[in-house]
Amino acid sequence: SQKIEQNSEALNIQEGKTATLTCNYTNYSPAYLQWYRQDPGRGPVFLLLIRENEKEKRKERLKVTFDTTLKQSLFHITASQPADSATYLCALDNQGGKLIFGQGTELSVKP
Amino acid sequence: EAQVTQNPRYLITVTGKKLTVTCSQNMNHEYMSWYRQDPGLGLRQIYYSMNVEVTDKGDVPEGYKVSRKEKRNFPLILESPSPNQTSLYFCASSFLRNTEAFFGQGTRLTVV
Repeated sequence: SQKIEQNSEALNIQEGKTATLTCNYTNYSPAYLQWYRQDPGRGPVFLLLIRENEKEKRKERLKVTFDTTLKQSLFHITASQPADSATYLCALDNQGGKLIFGQGTELSVKP
Repeated sequence: EAQVTQNPRYLITVTGKKLTVTCSQNMNHEYMSWYRQDPGLGLRQIYYSMNVEVTDKGDVPEGYKVSRKEKRNFPLILESPSPNQTSLYFCASSFLRNTEAFFGQGTRLTVV
């Protein structure tokens, strides 16, 4: 069956450290993968999109990698801050028009 | 300001009473979609539309209807709501299906 999995356990890290979140998928062949941030009770906010022919993408303190062999994307936040605390969602297309979301990983950055 | 606007933000209704949640975007986006978000289940796509008059089922379409008569609007219709449709609903739009999605503020629906 098709699955997209993110760490269900919350990730707790110290301010200034690098947070690394994982997104694994099975039985999909996505042309691209996206990462979103969601704060409680609010709509997701787009962060980064990476295409299947790109290995890595960066935006300020954010970095995303996409390994189509491992069927995995890693999302890094360097020099993390308490304001980065939120739930982070990965999403991929199933090449049929649907955008499929993972359940999200809650990140908590302690001062 | 570029935005996706949903209304209402909160709604409590009774089983079987038809309701419509409106969604409007001002970015001239082709692609629009509806999601529901439930604890432990994440965001699940209900319906999507790639253009005017073109709609398709997502992963959980049962009990919902949509229409796309104009590019900017994509209402979600619950003809006969049931308690299992109590959820947080989000509308989203994007220029194309594989570009960044903009989400509305959400509609918290309770069906009693």
